[in-house]
Amino acid sequence: QSVLTQPPSASGTPGQRVTISCSGSSSNIGSNAVSWYRHLPGTAPKLVIYSNDQRPSGVPDRFAGSKSGTSASLAISGLQSEDDSDYYCAAWDDSLNGVVFGGGTKLTVL
Amino acid sequence: EVQLVESGGGLVQPGWSLRLSCEASGFTFDDYAMHWVRQAPGRGLEWVSAISWNSVTIVYADSVKGRFTISRDNAKNSLYLQMNSLRFEDTALYFCAKKIHSSGRWVGLDYWGHGTLVTVSS
Repeated sequence: QSVLTQPPSASGTPGQRVTISCSGSSSNIGSNAVSWYRHLPGTAPKLVIYSNDQRPSGVPDRFAGSKSGTSASLAISGLQSEDDSDYYCAAWDDSLNGVVFGGGTKLTVL
Repeated sequence: EVQLVESGGGLVQPGWSLRLSCEASGFTFDDYAMHWVRQAPGRGLEWVSAISWNSVTIVYADSVKGRFTISRDNAKNSLYLQMNSLRFEDTALYFCAKKIHSSGRWVGLDYWGHGTLVTVSS
């Protein structure tokens, strides 16, 4: 059972916009920044959003992050086949004194 | 180019020990906190431990506290994870990762290695 809650799956067709949610509590998302990672099993996870809504260099502006209260979202617009992957949210948790991850969302591009 | 290369994984029996290493290059290693994150087969990412740039602050997930020890050698640009009393549930791909900013609050991990596989089996 992950501390942050994500839907296990999401899907969309090429060109569509999809949103992945991440729900937490006052000790993590409510008081700390959220980051998002794209991960294909067996490979190195890749940071796509940090500080709630900041994109690292090289990440296309099709990726957008937002946060409100104790929830956060990752939106991917203009969906492409290469976006087919697992996505994880993460935040620091003040009560646990460590990083907490969501359970991951498997995004399928149909 | 930032590179993180893990090593030291392998097949061990329950109760055994293993020491993982992560060699860093392409950035000023001793400026940044470093983390270990793992992924068990069929499961999601799980944070394991973190160490500050100067080793003063060290934190662990409850699942490994008292069994795992994180350390670093800034002269060798290396991060370590000593894993003792290994359990079946420690079977996972272990990643080392770099904190984004050298100072301030945690806002993410910007570079990750490809991981080293630890299998605990009898």
